[in-house]
Amino acid sequence: GAVVSQHPSWVICKSGTSVKIECRSLDFQATTMFWYRQFPKQSLMLMATSNEGSKATYEQGVEKDKFLINHASLTLSTLTVTSAHPEDSSFYICSAKFYASGGLEQFFGPGTRLTVL
Amino acid sequence: DAKTTQPTSMDCAEGRAANLPCNHSTISGNEYVYWYRQIHSQGPQYIIHGLKNNETNEMASLIITEDRKSSTLILPHATLRDTAVYYCIAHTGTASKLTFGTGTRLQVTL
Repeated sequence: GAVVSQHPSWVICKSGTSVKIECRSLDFQATTMFWYRQFPKQSLMLMATSNEGSKATYEQGVEKDKFLINHASLTLSTLTVTSAHPEDSSFYICSAKFYASGGLEQFFGPGTRLTVL
Repeated sequence: DAKTTQPTSMDCAEGRAANLPCNHSTISGNEYVYWYRQIHSQGPQYIIHGLKNNETNEMASLIITEDRKSSTLILPHATLRDTAVYYCIAHTGTASKLTFGTGTRLQVTL
């Protein structure tokens, strides 16, 4: 299947700093990528849809000025958590749509664990 | 996406078949049934999807009832590495979002 990578796999930062997470589609082009957040023992929650060359679409309750998304190329989307606080500590996962022979599939990155001290 | 209902947890002995049920009684005609799994601290992994017919791939089989109101994911010979949370999602395929429910936590034991 198609491969999606994320960098870094984990990050620890001080409260008030900004953190950038990269999501790359390694062997296919993705016009649409998605960013999810997952708190411990909870399910994945969609944060936003990232569209190449246009503004991201944010889910209700997600602050667009706090979670900046840039999708500048067909293989890269970035999520920047600005002025991070301890409550932003979470597992952030990206995914990308891929049209395989059997139809539409969505492939996920391995996730980035963010810890804000 | 139509709402799906799955048992919270299941156990399965290693080497036996794991049968994971999913109810999707309000599924619409153009919605596929997708299955993903998430091993602890990893991103979700695509398993299989189907519309009406039963499907099989190298990972699993998907059995969809004739009325499409429920389905079963079958892992024919479960191993310890299959321990994960399994998510059943009804999705049109062309629409953007995947909405994850709480899934079924499958524990494979020796």
